[in-house]
Amino acid sequence: GAGVSQSPSNKVTEKGKDVELRCDPISGHTALYWYRQRLGQGLEFLIYFQGNSAPDKSGLPSDRFSAERTGESVSTLTIQRTQQEDSAVYLCASSFSRGNEQFFGPGTRLTVL
Amino acid sequence: QQQVKQSPQSLIVQKGGISIINCAYENTAFDYFPWYQQFPGKGPALLIAIRPDVSEKKEGRFTISFNKSAKQFSLHIMDSQPGDSATYFCAASRGFQKLVFGTGTRLLVSP
Repeated sequence: GAGVSQSPSNKVTEKGKDVELRCDPISGHTALYWYRQRLGQGLEFLIYFQGNSAPDKSGLPSDRFSAERTGESVSTLTIQRTQQEDSAVYLCASSFSRGNEQFFGPGTRLTVL
Repeated sequence: QQQVKQSPQSLIVQKGGISIINCAYENTAFDYFPWYQQFPGKGPALLIAIRPDVSEKKEGRFTISFNKSAKQFSLHIMDSQPGDSATYFCAASRGFQKLVFGTGTRLLVSP
């Protein structure tokens, strides 16, 4: 594809519900990253995939957060039992296996009421 | 040791002026230092990046200055334009790994 795509663009949910966020990386990019951006703040790393394995999950804030990736394509980030502090923009990025440049998607804005 | 500290938090520059944003890091294992530009409602986009084996890199109106001994790097935007008004993030990484981001600088270029 032309760029990294993410869906939905906006998600409003009630506290305690589960949500799934989707990322479609650039074709051919084997590395995929998830970041979280709270309002007015920088990006926090969540998890990194190389292919469908996740060698770095160190940024996941709690066991309510999980992610998976199908082969070298789509990834989903799942947040269970959402809390108000989970409200943020969730950004996905992809890159070549041995490439530094990460290309970001437009993000999913999650609001937990 | 994983932090990247960025300043200032916000910056107002007149059209045609020079915008300067600074970052400092602690982890000497970092070997890639990009700057990202982000417009409201959009994901960050790579602007320019540098590696520690050079002290300066210029691309058009954008220049990165890198001081390895001081563990600092900065972004200079020459002849700043209203279209440059955005949030700028510095970042750092080691090898082909996650980016560690600064907290961002909101730049406003007044006409």
